[in-house]
Amino acid sequence: AQSVTQPDIHITVSEGASLELRCNYSYGATPYLFWYVQSPGQGLQLLLKYFSGDTLVQGIKGFEAEFKRSQSSFNLRKPSVHWSDAAEYFCAVGAGSGNTGKLIFGQGTTLQVKP
Amino acid sequence: ETGVTQTPRHLVMGMTNKKSLKCEQHLGHNAMYWYKQSAKKPLELMFVYNFKEQTENNSVPSRFSPECPNSSHLFLHLHTLQPEDSALYLCASSQGGLAGVNEQFFGPGTRLTVL
Repeated sequence: AQSVTQPDIHITVSEGASLELRCNYSYGATPYLFWYVQSPGQGLQLLLKYFSGDTLVQGIKGFEAEFKRSQSSFNLRKPSVHWSDAAEYFCAVGAGSGNTGKLIFGQGTTLQVKP
Repeated sequence: ETGVTQTPRHLVMGMTNKKSLKCEQHLGHNAMYWYKQSAKKPLELMFVYNFKEQTENNSVPSRFSPECPNSSHLFLHLHTLQPEDSALYLCASSQGGLAGVNEQFFGPGTRLTVL
């Protein structure tokens, strides 16, 4: 069965430090992969997505992610974190096909940024 | 209005009440979704509608009843809920057809409390 695992429930980094959020997926075929961010009291916003091609994808707000098929991973990175990046981050895999397809989300990683 | 809107933003109801959540998308999409987000649990897909037809019901109890009168509007009718149904209910939309592939745009959610 398809699944997404985000091993880190909570991460704290200092402002200006680099960030990496981990995501591992289980899916039989070539996955469609997404990272979403959710600020308190808000819905989810797409940061970036991978469908095919270059395995390093660039997103909004200075985020990037790298797809590694051999490790079944799609880790999110940012070279220098800003206080406004404090939020909850969700990795998701697109499963199924056609009209029956759906997104399967990980349990999320809460990012706290220290001044 | 732009994007995906949800009303009300907050709702408190008793277990014997009947209420409805409303979602409207202004993006010209043809697929709409209901998700439940509880504390410390992954996002749970509840229902998917593609071109007004329900294509996914993720074993949701019958006390939740969705309605999709057109591609722009989605309702979630609630009756005889339980306290464990308290959660943030998120609506999303995407281009129709490929629910596992296309980016989903989320509304801000309705925070539901069942007393």
